[in-house]
Amino acid sequence: QKEVEQDPGPLSVPEGAIVSLNCTYSNSAFQYFMWYRQYSRKGPELLMYTYSSGNKEDGRFTAQVDKSSKYISLFIRDSQPSDSATYLCAMTRENYGQNFVFGPGTRLSVLP
Amino acid sequence: DGGITQSPKYLFRKEGQNVTLSCEQNLNHDAMYWYRQDPGQGLRLIYYSQIVNDFQKGDIAEGYSVSREKKESFPLTVTSAQKNPTAFYLCASSSYRDSNQPQHFGDGTRLSIL
Repeated sequence: QKEVEQDPGPLSVPEGAIVSLNCTYSNSAFQYFMWYRQYSRKGPELLMYTYSSGNKEDGRFTAQVDKSSKYISLFIRDSQPSDSATYLCAMTRENYGQNFVFGPGTRLSVLP
Repeated sequence: DGGITQSPKYLFRKEGQNVTLSCEQNLNHDAMYWYRQDPGQGLRLIYYSQIVNDFQKGDIAEGYSVSREKKESFPLTVTSAQKNPTAFYLCASSSYRDSNQPQHFGDGTRLSIL
């Protein structure tokens, strides 16, 4: 079993839809959880960063962590064509250093 | 503007050739990292460095080498021993003091075989 699993997509939604992106993981020691957005031929850009379980909201984005189920989600409300990108989840035991584990990414297309 | 600059954007390697990918950051970050990204796989760590003149192997270091002579710079050499070098290479940096920004990434170098 891979340490972090993520549905690769591609996922296509109409503009204005609510998007749910998900990752599952196997290591219960993970405490810090991140979502990155990566546009084609660009580097990942940090979107959301959360510690332990709970929800965090930033504009149209909400990150949710359920440590008991080892499951994290990113919700995008009122999705826009500019949200079309690959979304990577990442997690780690400590909030710095080399022990980040990344999911393979979900490719999202938001159609106008 | 603060950030991480990777160059070149595209690089081609001939058989038996070593090539060097550049990574420079002006974020005053202590730690720097090199990742390899292949389709359908998560980022895999090649090398990382937490301070100048010190670096450690990551999960897939074979066929690669690095140096860290300056805080701002962390070049990666893909040697001829790396038999499958075609990939997207990403450089990242982080600061132990800035816990809200775990890793910043550059815009990558795409390496292909001629």
